[in-house]
Amino acid sequence: KAGVTQTPRYLIKTRGQQVTLSCSPISGHRSVSWYQQTPGQGLQFLFEYFSETQRNKGNFPGRFSGRQFSNSRSEMNVSTLELGDSALYLCASSIRAEGTEAFFGQGTRLTVV
Amino acid sequence: AQKITQTQPGMFVQEKEAVTLDCTYDTSDPSYGLFWYKQPSSGEMIFLIYQGSYDQQNATEGRYSLNFQKARKSANLVISASQLGDSAMYFCAMREGLKAAGNKLTFGGGTRVLVKP
Repeated sequence: KAGVTQTPRYLIKTRGQQVTLSCSPISGHRSVSWYQQTPGQGLQFLFEYFSETQRNKGNFPGRFSGRQFSNSRSEMNVSTLELGDSALYLCASSIRAEGTEAFFGQGTRLTVV
Repeated sequence: AQKITQTQPGMFVQEKEAVTLDCTYDTSDPSYGLFWYKQPSSGEMIFLIYQGSYDQQNATEGRYSLNFQKARKSANLVISASQLGDSAMYFCAMREGLKAAGNKLTFGGGTRVLVKP
C-alpha cells in the first residue's frame, strides 16, 4: 500500500514568485492536512481538507491557500513568496474525519531566495 | 499558553536502555487524542503511538508505550531497548475536540534523541 506522496521533494523559488505543492494521500483516506515546519516556529498547522471541503485553517496569511480534488489529492499554493516561507511543508492523511492516526509524507523542502 | 510542552530539547541514551520522553499538554476539552511522532533526519514524520482521552489503558506499540496520566495532563513516551535507529526528533502532538477539530494537530517543540553505541 503506497504511503503519502508529496511532490516535489525540493524546490527553490525566488521572492515574489508563487509555488504549488502537491500531496497524494493514502488510498481511501479522505482527510488531508498541511503543516509548515521551520526551525524557529516548529510545526504549525496550515489547513485541513476533508471530502474537498476546507474544515480547519491555521493562522497563516491569505497568501497560503489550498484545495482538494475529488480523488482526495490536495494542493497548496503560496503566492508572493517571502524569505520566511522557506520551510519543510508536510502533508498528512487520515482515513476519517477524526482519525486516531495521521500518516505524513516526506515533505517538500521549499527554499525562497 | 503552550498547548503541548516538551521540556527536554535533547538527550543521550545508551543503546539497549529504555528512555522516557516527557510531554505535558493543556486543554479544557474532555475529548482529545495524543500522538507521538518520530522524525529522522530525512524529514518524514513517522507515527508511533496514539492515546485517546477516554482510553482506560495506556497505549503500547511494540517497543513504544505511552505513560498516560490524565490528572497530571502528561503523556510521556517510553522507548524500551533503544536502538541506534531510534536516533531522531520526537514530537508529541494533540488533537482536541470532536468533529470540529477534525484532524488538526498541535505539536510540541520536540526532543532530539541520540542513541549511543
